Amino acid sequence: GQQLNQSPQSMFIQEGEDVSMNCTSSSIFNTWLWYKQDPGEGPVLLIALYKAGELTSNGRLTAQFGITRKDSFLNISASIPSDVGIYFCAGQLNPNTGNQFYFGTGTSLTVIP
Amino acid sequence: SAVISQKPSRDICQRGTSLTIQCQVDSQVTMMFWYRQQPGQSLTLIATANQGSEATYESGFVIDKFPISRPNLTFSTLTVSNMSPEDSSIYLCSVGGLAGGLRTDTQYFGPGTRLTVL
Repeated sequence: GQQLNQSPQSMFIQEGEDVSMNCTSSSIFNTWLWYKQDPGEGPVLLIALYKAGELTSNGRLTAQFGITRKDSFLNISASIPSDVGIYFCAGQLNPNTGNQFYFGTGTSLTVIP
Repeated sequence: SAVISQKPSRDICQRGTSLTIQCQVDSQVTMMFWYRQQPGQSLTLIATANQGSEATYESGFVIDKFPISRPNLTFSTLTVSNMSPEDSSIYLCSVGGLAGGLRTDTQYFGPGTRLTVL
């Protein structure tokens, strides 16, 4: 299967700091999704990106679809304790040839009050 | 987005038994998927649940171990058969697709079923 390299693997930050994480692939993707997963819960969709270069915000979260279509990043501004969780990127190669999404390895975020 | 529920939310099972997990969506969707998430790991696709036909399994997963049903556009089940401790994971249902007004290039997840096998 496709490999999505997500970094960093974990982050420990002070409340109020900004956060940046990214996802890279050797393949070209048509769609990038970013999810947050709290302990014991299913992943919740944060942001969906459908076009190369697209920059989309959701509150304090901003994500971009890389121009090369092989990467994406997620930024969180002014972090708060409830941002704690595991963030996953997911990419889809081509919805016309299959709907499978490939998931990154996750970034574990800890916010220190 | 769709509202997705899973039953049970968690279970503790004995080795050698089977457990059936249900996934219910509040609107009709064309795509339903089952994922496994082992402790501390990312999500791994088990299979695509196809309405009215056999599920499409990913490499490493077989129908005898993970039989799947999808009788209609809002419901699917995943059975974990002849369980062993290695099957202890979170099992997640996800949906996407135009029938429910959802794009095929977006997926939404249920809350998951946390399975522990002793």
